[in-house]
Amino acid sequence: DGGITQSPKYLFRKEGQNVTLSCEQNLNHDAMYWYRQDPGQGLRLIYYSQIVNDFQKGDIAEGYSVSREKKESFPLTVTSAQKNPTAFYLCASSIGGGHSNQPQHFGDGTRLSIL
Amino acid sequence: QKEVEQNSGPLSVPEGAIASLNCTYSDRVSQSFFWYRQYSGKSPELIMSIYSNGDKEDGRFTAQLNKASQYVSLLIRDSQPSDSATYLCAGPGYSSASKIIFGSGTRLSIRP
Repeated sequence: DGGITQSPKYLFRKEGQNVTLSCEQNLNHDAMYWYRQDPGQGLRLIYYSQIVNDFQKGDIAEGYSVSREKKESFPLTVTSAQKNPTAFYLCASSIGGGHSNQPQHFGDGTRLSIL
Repeated sequence: QKEVEQNSGPLSVPEGAIASLNCTYSDRVSQSFFWYRQYSGKSPELIMSIYSNGDKEDGRFTAQLNKASQYVSLLIRDSQPSDSATYLCAGPGYSSASKIIFGSGTRLSIRP
C-alpha cells in the first residue's frame, strides 16, 4: 500500500540534543512538507521541498534543519537551538512540486517531548 | 488578515442534523480548496477537494465554493457521533503558490 511513514511515533529529547524525525513516502510524490502542531492549534509549516536536493524555509524554520537527498525521504532534524520542541510533528507530501492545486497527504505523525 | 480563516468553535450539533462549517480566504485567484478531518491525537485526513465554483457532493459531505464571496463551506448531513473532530480548511496561499495554507480548524461536536 502506498503511503507516508513517519518514525518514531514517540520521541524524547534531552537538553542540548539534536534529534531526527524520519519521513518516507512511496507515493512517487515530488513535494514534501513538515508541519508542527501544538495542542489545540493549527498546522505551522517548518520546511518544504518541491524537488530532490532543494528545500525552502516555512514560517517557523528556526531551530530545524532538513535534507532531501532522495525523492522518497525528507528527514527533519530538531536541533538544540529549538528551545521549545515539544509538539506533534506531521510530514506530508503532494503530487506536484509547485502545484498548490494538489492536496497534501499526511503521515501518522511523531510526538516529540523534552525529558 | 490571515490567508485562510475559520471559526475555531466548538460547534455543537445534534445527531442527525446538518453540520455547517465555513472558511473564508483572502486570495482572489485561488483555484482549489481542501477539507481535512482530524481526530484528536491523529493526523489530518483529506475528505473533500473542490476546484470550481458551486457544490461538490460525496456521500454525506457537500463542499461549496463561492469565489465571488471568497468562502468555502463543508456541510455534513445526518451528522453522526463519529463526525466529532476538528475540520481544517486549506487553500493556496498568495504569498507562495507552491504551498497550501491551512486554517486553524473548527472543532465539531455531535451530541447524541
